[in-house]
Amino acid sequence: GQQLNQSPQSMFIQEGEDVSMNCTSSSIFNTWLWYKQDPGEGPVLLIALYKAGELTSNGRLTAQFGITRKDSFLNISASIPSDVGIYFCAGQLGNQFYFGTGTSLTVIP
Amino acid sequence: EAGVAQSPRYKIIEKRQSVAFWCNPISGHATLYWYQQILGQGPKLLIQFQNNGVVDDSQLPKDRFSAERLKGVDSTLKIQPAKLEDSAVYLCASSFVGTNTEAFFGQGTRLTVV
Repeated sequence: GQQLNQSPQSMFIQEGEDVSMNCTSSSIFNTWLWYKQDPGEGPVLLIALYKAGELTSNGRLTAQFGITRKDSFLNISASIPSDVGIYFCAGQLGNQFYFGTGTSLTVIP
Repeated sequence: EAGVAQSPRYKIIEKRQSVAFWCNPISGHATLYWYQQILGQGPKLLIQFQNNGVVDDSQLPKDRFSAERLKGVDSTLKIQPAKLEDSAVYLCASSFVGTNTEAFFGQGTRLTVV
């Protein structure tokens, strides 16, 4: 299967701080997706990116589809306690999805 | 709009027993996926259906895992016999075919094999 590497693996931040995480691959993808997973729940879609260079926002979240189509970035501004969870990137080829290793985010009030 | 429904939420079985999981996708979604998520890892695709046909089952351990989607709507995933290393969350997801084909996930079934 495709390998998607996410970094950092985990983050501990103070409430109110901004967060950045990224996802890289050796393969080119047509679509990049970012999901958040809370404990005991399935992943929930946050942002979908369809074009190289695309920058898309969803509230305090902003994600970018890298120009090379091999990477993507997710930024969270002014973090709040409910941002806690694991964030997964996913690359899509055709109708198949490949998931990253996840970034665990802890927000300290 | 109803989301992806999965049952049961939790299951504990002994090794060598069998178990089955059920998934009902979002209405109108032709593509259905089963993923295995081991603790601390990202979801790994087990099998992908489009309508009632298998698109990809290359990572399905076919000696013990089977899945079907007979009428092209809901699906079942079975493990027989289970091994300790099958302990994981089994996630079902569905998507449209065509543009904007992002996948939407159910809550998952947490399987513990003892």
